[in-house]
Amino acid sequence: QVQLVQSGAEVKKPGSSVKVSCKASGGTFSSYAISWVRQAPGQGLEWMGGIIPIFGTANYAQKFQGRVTITADESTSTAYMELSSLRSEDTAVYYCARDLSEWLPHKQGDAFDIWGQGTMVTVSS
Amino acid sequence: EIVMTQSPATLSVSPGERATLSCRASQSVSSNLAWYQQKPGQAPRLLIYGASTRATGIPARFSGSGSGTEFTLTISSLQSEDFAVYYCQQYNNWPGTLTFGPGTKVDIK
Repeated sequence: QVQLVQSGAEVKKPGSSVKVSCKASGGTFSSYAISWVRQAPGQGLEWMGGIIPIFGTANYAQKFQGRVTITADESTSTAYMELSSLRSEDTAVYYCARDLSEWLPHKQGDAFDIWGQGTMVTVSS
Repeated sequence: EIVMTQSPATLSVSPGERATLSCRASQSVSSNLAWYQQKPGQAPRLLIYGASTRATGIPARFSGSGSGTEFTLTISSLQSEDFAVYYCQQYNNWPGTLTFGPGTKVDIK
């Protein structure tokens, strides 16, 4: 059974960066897209971007372009999300999530069936 | 960017009753639509994908329908564990932005 285990909570100053990890265990890593989704306190879900580890290139939501970097390390089955120029509005729980099925050419996209436990990032001076 | 809307924002239902939740896309997403359930302090759980296919382990009381721009999630007989927030999500335009609806909270009447 595949599990995604994320790194622990972070407290950051405005203007700094945070890097959250998401380690997959128990199954295939490289051929499934991993996305990052965040949720501000009391708010809804917001997709930030995703990556297909076997290709290594990421796709980002326009809102986060230039501020987020998503990477993956196939050797350790770990995905990373780094968010820079942090502001108070970035205070949120950050989730990684895996696609339901493996990547295929011309695949439109997929639902997320496996989620990490979430990482709370607090931005405060 | 495809905008997802959900209605109602809050749905008050008695246990055993039927709940019908709606989701609308600003443009067609074909059947590339998923529904998630989220309880406080937990990660979302996939209920439905492909607009109408139940995910593994999801009870038959959950059903999804629709295509294009209009979608519905129906919970046929609400159980106590079903009181939660429900989100729809389109995944039609990868590598474009994948978007979630704002959610519908189902609470106890």
